[in-house]
Amino acid sequence: GQNIDQPTEMTATEGAIVQINCTYQTSGFNGLFWYQQHAGEAPTFLSYNVLDGLEEKGRFSSFLSRSKGYSYLLLKELQMKDSASYLCAVVDSNYQLIWGAGTKLIIKP
Amino acid sequence: DGGITQSPKYLFRKEGQNVTLSCEQNLNHDAMYWYRQDPGQGLRLIYYSQIVNDFQKGDIAEGYSVSREKKESFPLTVTSAQKNPTAFYLCASSTGLAEEVSYNEQFFGPGTRLTVL
Repeated sequence: GQNIDQPTEMTATEGAIVQINCTYQTSGFNGLFWYQQHAGEAPTFLSYNVLDGLEEKGRFSSFLSRSKGYSYLLLKELQMKDSASYLCAVVDSNYQLIWGAGTKLIIKP
Repeated sequence: DGGITQSPKYLFRKEGQNVTLSCEQNLNHDAMYWYRQDPGQGLRLIYYSQIVNDFQKGDIAEGYSVSREKKESFPLTVTSAQKNPTAFYLCASSTGLAEEVSYNEQFFGPGTRLTVL
């Protein structure tokens, strides 16, 4: 079966750094997405990785290791508006997106 | 502005009634998707369509039906056979072109929150 694991909830402090991990076991791999979803709203695209390594985009970075079936999203200089759920999704061999359950990130002042 | 619209944002229905959720996109995307999201959970695929007049069942298609008569539109009907229909429903679209490497980013509508009374 296909499986994507993320922590259910994490708490961090405003101004700090947090790393959200995602491990996956899927039938094939054609890339990994990270999406941000604020409560009651639609997910919005954050990053896409298909090759190993780190992709940096402002305060957010995403890392991928295909051999380990592992990715993480790194958020720096946390702001209160970063409080949201972060969804990891893998593109499988049929080019379908397999979604993780998401990690709810709580930012405290 | 290009985008995806869903209507209505909030929908209430009585148990035993069918209800249709609207999804329209003007992004000229071939592929469209319907997801269900329950509190504290990830997205579960209900149906998807990669081309007009064709669609496939996702992981939780029972109790739902769709049509794809136009490229821009992909309405979802929640039937009375769906045992627990109260949820947040999200529609998405993508270029759906596998040959565009694998960058199959999905763009989402604002969602419809369905409550069965």
